[in-house]
Amino acid sequence: AQSVAQPEDQVNVAEGNPLTVKCTYSVSGNPYLFWYVQYPNRGLQFLLKYITGDNLVKGSYGFEAEFNKSQTSFHLKKPSALVSDSALYFCAVRDAGTASKLTFGTGTRLQVTL
Amino acid sequence: NAGVTQTPKFRVLKTGQSMTLLCAQDMNHEYMYWYRQDPGMGLRLIHYSVGEGTTAKGEVPDGYNVSRLKKQNFLLGLESAAPSQTSVYFCASSDQGAQPQHFGDGTRLSIL
Repeated sequence: AQSVAQPEDQVNVAEGNPLTVKCTYSVSGNPYLFWYVQYPNRGLQFLLKYITGDNLVKGSYGFEAEFNKSQTSFHLKKPSALVSDSALYFCAVRDAGTASKLTFGTGTRLQVTL
Repeated sequence: NAGVTQTPKFRVLKTGQSMTLLCAQDMNHEYMYWYRQDPGMGLRLIHYSVGEGTTAKGEVPDGYNVSRLKKQNFLLGLESAAPSQTSVYFCASSDQGAQPQHFGDGTRLSIL
């Protein structure tokens, strides 16, 4: 069975500082990995994905994520946080070799303060 | 660009009542999904569809039924609502393969 772990319920960062939101995964085969963001009273919005190729993936709003196969991780990063980045972030995984559906993590709330 | 539209946005039901949540997408996507979001539990897949006329069970299907009579619409039904079904329900759609899912803004359902 596939699974995703987001070990931090909340991450607090000062504006202008770098941010990292952690995600580790477990699948039988090769993973497809995704990050989504959710603002209050809205649906999830796609940020970026890793399918294959370069381990560093760049996405929307200046976010990027690094795929690390040996550590089975896909951490979300941004060099300089903005107050407007405050939201709920979800990591998701599916097994590339099967017809499995996406499995989501429990979410990490990012709070960026001035 | 409408994307994925969910109706209604809010609803309060009494235990035992029935209702249908409607999801409509205008992106010609083959795949459609219904999730529920509960605090601390992320999103859990209720049912999904891989094309018009098809449906399949997800992780938490009990108490729900779905239908996909038209490609653009995916309906979620609660035949006899229970307080445990109080949640925020999200519909999503996607193309095949590794394409990302597009989400609606959710239906907030309370069952008293």
